[in-house]
Amino acid sequence: EPEVTQTPSHQVTQMGQEVILRCVPISNHLYFYWYRQILGQKVEFLVSFYNNEISEKSEIFDDQFSVERPDGSNFTLKIRSTKLEDSAMYFCASSDFEGAGEKLFFGSGTQLSVL
Amino acid sequence: LAKTTQPISMDSYEGQEVNITCSHNNIATNDYITWYQQFPSQGPRFIIQGYKTKVTNEVASLFIPADRKSSTLSLPRVSLSDTAVYYCLVGDMSPAGGGNKLTFGTGTQLKVEL
Repeated sequence: EPEVTQTPSHQVTQMGQEVILRCVPISNHLYFYWYRQILGQKVEFLVSFYNNEISEKSEIFDDQFSVERPDGSNFTLKIRSTKLEDSAMYFCASSDFEGAGEKLFFGSGTQLSVL
Repeated sequence: LAKTTQPISMDSYEGQEVNITCSHNNIATNDYITWYQQFPSQGPRFIIQGYKTKVTNEVASLFIPADRKSSTLSLPRVSLSDTAVYYCLVGDMSPAGGGNKLTFGTGTQLKVEL
């Protein structure tokens, strides 16, 4: 079964450093997403991406965040200057419309720890 | 996006059928109902999706009454490995509303014991 792949599974960084989280969505999917989940809290939407541009973003997704699809297979989330409160599990997702309704498929996540 | 309400937690035993009901009184015409499962430290996993009546797949069944103001996820004969958080989400999942941001609530923590 095809799956969304995320790397690395764990990332430790110092406050103020830049991090890039990488995702390989399912190959024939057209919509891509980043979500995050702070330990013990809800899964929160960050951004959606379609046709090489952001289609929607949340209040969390400020100027420190950016997304890119540098080639036909990768989808990245960059945090320019990490803060302690960016520590969370970050999930990438991609979706298709098989059967009419959109279904999101999530990766297993990158645990980001900012020290 | 329609607000959803579901129980915070449920307990069951192996082999039993579990029904988790979600209320979504403000569901809109274009909204689909989708259920996800999440294990600790893993991404949510799609379980089932429906628009109306009943949908069944190899994992679960989804019952949606005619007014669509609620839905029930039915898990037949649960096992210990079904212990997880189950989320009910309602939103415009049609192709026209694609790129939809899903809003996750706190979900229902299902605990299955021997």
